[in-house]
Amino acid sequence: AQSVTQPDIHITVSEGASLELRCNYSYGATPYLFWYVQSPGQGLQLLLKYFSGDTLVQGIKGFEAEFKRSQSSFNLRKPSVHWSDAAEYFCAVGGVTGNQFYFGTGTSLTVIP
Amino acid sequence: DAGITQSPRHKVTETGTPVTLRCHQTENHRYMYWYRQDPGHGLRLIHYSYGVKDTDKGEVSDGYSVSRSKTEDFLLTLESATSSQTSVYFCAISGTSGGQETQYFGPGTRLLVL
Repeated sequence: AQSVTQPDIHITVSEGASLELRCNYSYGATPYLFWYVQSPGQGLQLLLKYFSGDTLVQGIKGFEAEFKRSQSSFNLRKPSVHWSDAAEYFCAVGGVTGNQFYFGTGTSLTVIP
Repeated sequence: DAGITQSPRHKVTETGTPVTLRCHQTENHRYMYWYRQDPGHGLRLIHYSYGVKDTDKGEVSDGYSVSRSKTEDFLLTLESATSSQTSVYFCAISGTSGGQETQYFGPGTRLLVL
């Protein structure tokens, strides 16, 4: 069965520091992978996606993610965090049978001055 | 942003009453979804639709029904609301852009069942 694990429930980083959010997935073939961001009281906004090709994908707001097949991971990174990046981040695997998408439980990011 | 609206955006209702949430899209996408979001659970799929009058259950479908009579509208009905259905409900659509199936979300509906 498909599943997505985000091991970190909550992360706190200082503004200007680098960030890495972890995501591991379980899927029998090469999945379609996504990262979404959710600000308080808002819907989910697509940050980036991976379908095939270059395993390092660039997204909006300066985020990038790297697909590592050997580790079944799709970690999200940002070299320098801004206070406005404080939000909830969700990793998802999708486009599989029935066009269903599966989400991790999210990682809450706090940015301190 | 994808053209997805949800109505109402906020609703308070009483236990035992029926409630209908509406999702409307302007993208003409085939797939539409209803999720609920609860702390510690992330997003859980309630129902989804793969075309007009074509729907299927997700992982938490008990107590919910859906209908899709037009491509652009996907309705979620709580047949008899319970306090456990207090949640934030998100509609999503998925469409293909350059052969890549991607899901986009509406702004959400906050439902409180008293």
